[in-house]
Amino acid sequence: QSVLTQPPSVSGAPGQRVTISCTGSRSNIGAGYDVHWYQQLPGTAPKLLIYANNFRPSGVPDRFSGSKSGTSASLAITGLQAGDEADYYCQSFDSSLSGSVFGGGTKLTVL
Amino acid sequence: EVQLLESGGGLVQPGESLRLSCAASGFTFSSYDMSWVRQAPGKGLEWVSSFSGGGDGAHYADPLKGRFTISRDNSKNTMYLQMNSLRVEDTAAYYCAKPKYCDRSGCSGGFDRWGQGTLVTVSP
Repeated sequence: QSVLTQPPSVSGAPGQRVTISCTGSRSNIGAGYDVHWYQQLPGTAPKLLIYANNFRPSGVPDRFSGSKSGTSASLAITGLQAGDEADYYCQSFDSSLSGSVFGGGTKLTVL
Repeated sequence: EVQLLESGGGLVQPGESLRLSCAASGFTFSSYDMSWVRQAPGKGLEWVSSFSGGGDGAHYADPLKGRFTISRDNSKNTMYLQMNSLRVEDTAAYYCAKPKYCDRSGCSGGFDRWGQGTLVTVSP
């Protein structure tokens, strides 16, 4: 049971928009801690996709965006491409656990 | 170029120990808190432990306290994870990870660099 809750899977057709939610609590996202998002392609290490809720590292397309409100955050992907098929994870800090916490991950399928 | 290279994984029996290493290069290692994150086969990411850049603070995921010990040698730009009393459920790829930003007030920006991971298999 992950501290941050994500849907196990989402899907969309090429060109469409999908969103992935990340629900936390008052000790993590709701406490004001930043949310970060990672993309993990099969067999590879995670890659930072969005940091500090809505910032993209250099090289990440602007098709990827993040938002945060209250105890939740979301990752939006527009203009879906086959290469976006991957697992996506949210991450934050939890004050009651004094450490980082991850969501359980969401598998994105491009139909 | 920032590089993180884990080593030390392998096949062990339940109850045995392993020490993982993470050799870092391309950045001022002592200025960054560093973390271990693991991923069991087919499962999600799980934060394991973090150690402050100055070496004065270690934090662990609650279930691992008492069995795992994180350390670092800033003179060697290397971080370690000593894992004792290993269990089958500790089987995972273990990644070391570097935060994007660190300053006097702490680290932020998520983990912007990850190693390739080292596989630990605990099996009878």
